[in-house]
Amino acid sequence: EPEVTQTPSHQVTQMGQEVILRCVPISNHLYFYWYRQILGQKVEFLVSFYNNEISEKSEIFDDQFSVERPDGSNFTLKIRSTKLEDSAMYFCASSTQYYEQYFGPGTRLTVT
Amino acid sequence: AQRVTQPEKLLSVFKGAPVELKCNYSYSGSPELFWYVQYSRQRLQLLLRHISRESIKGFTADLNKGETSFHLKKPFAQEEDSAMYYCALLYSGFQKLVFGTGTRLLVSP
Repeated sequence: EPEVTQTPSHQVTQMGQEVILRCVPISNHLYFYWYRQILGQKVEFLVSFYNNEISEKSEIFDDQFSVERPDGSNFTLKIRSTKLEDSAMYFCASSTQYYEQYFGPGTRLTVT
Repeated sequence: AQRVTQPEKLLSVFKGAPVELKCNYSYSGSPELFWYVQYSRQRLQLLLRHISRESIKGFTADLNKGETSFHLKKPFAQEEDSAMYYCALLYSGFQKLVFGTGTRLLVSP
């Protein structure tokens, strides 16, 4: 069964550095998402992406965040200048339509 | 505003006991609700979608619009059911899932 994959599984970075989290969605899916989960808190929506543009974003997704689908398979989340409070588990998801979202295993981002 | 509430952080039962994981929602539109499960160190997996009305791994969930609830039930818990369970509401038209805080189910032998 096809799955969403994410790399790296764990990323450690220093405050102020840029990070790029990578995702490979399921191949026939058209909608892509990023969520995050700060330790001990709920899973929170960050952004959805369809037809090569952002279709929805949360208030968390400020100018420090960007998403891109640089080729036909990858979907990336970039944080330009990381802050301590960006430390979280970041989940990528994809779907054929905007329900039944399938999640990747997550990237644990630690900002020191 | 849309919200999902899971009042129990932890639910501990013995194998063979019935299980009910509570979920209440707040949403002005027509809700689409899901249960996701996360086994230890694994990804979030879709367990149930209310529209499909399926029973997966013995779990069922019924949408009760009057009580704004979507509780997850299983008549006889198994040890392998131990996991985190998240209730989620699709905020229709905005393509985002709103999650509850999750309930950890622990099934003891």
